[in-house]
Amino acid sequence: EPEVTQTPSHQVTQMGQEVILRCVPISNHLYFYWYRQILGQKVEFLVSFYNNEISEKSEIFDDQFSVERPDGSNFTLKIRSTKLEDSAMYFCASRGDRGKGFFGQGTRLTVV
Amino acid sequence: KNEVEQSPQNLTAQEGEFITINCSYSVGISALHWLQQHPGGGIVSLFMLSSGKKKHGRLIATINIQEKHSSLHITASHPRDSAVYICAVRTGNQFYFGTGTSLTVIP
Repeated sequence: EPEVTQTPSHQVTQMGQEVILRCVPISNHLYFYWYRQILGQKVEFLVSFYNNEISEKSEIFDDQFSVERPDGSNFTLKIRSTKLEDSAMYFCASRGDRGKGFFGQGTRLTVV
Repeated sequence: KNEVEQSPQNLTAQEGEFITINCSYSVGISALHWLQQHPGGGIVSLFMLSSGKKKHGRLIATINIQEKHSSLHITASHPRDSAVYICAVRTGNQFYFGTGTSLTVIP
């Protein structure tokens, strides 16, 4: 079965630093998503991306966050000036035009 | 107010039991997803539904669009089914997630 790949699996960063979380979606998929899950809480939608632009974003996705597809295959989430409360599991997902979504295994971000 | 409500929050079952997890939602949806999250955190998509019923192995998912309700059934449950099961609905290009149902199947 095709899979979405995320790297790194675990990232530890100092508060105030910038991090880039990377995702390789399934190759023929058109829609891409980032979600996060703070430990013990439910999964939260961050942003969706289609046709090289953001199509939806949640209130969580403020100016601290940005996404891009730098090379047509990778899909990245950049978090600037990280805060302790950004510590969470970050999941990437992709889907085709009509198909179900496929999730990556997640990146555990720890801000210290 | 949560757009997606799941019940029960926690469920313990004996191996072999038939299990039902329920999901109700309050928004208009394009599709509903059932996801499985294992203790390590990884998420697996089990089903995507926009109508009717789907079956995959021992798992069955149903949806009633008029009642805005979906159920996930597990027949002949097994300890390896122990996980958190999450209902998620897609409206437009945005997802709303339920809080999950933590299932423990005891041998």
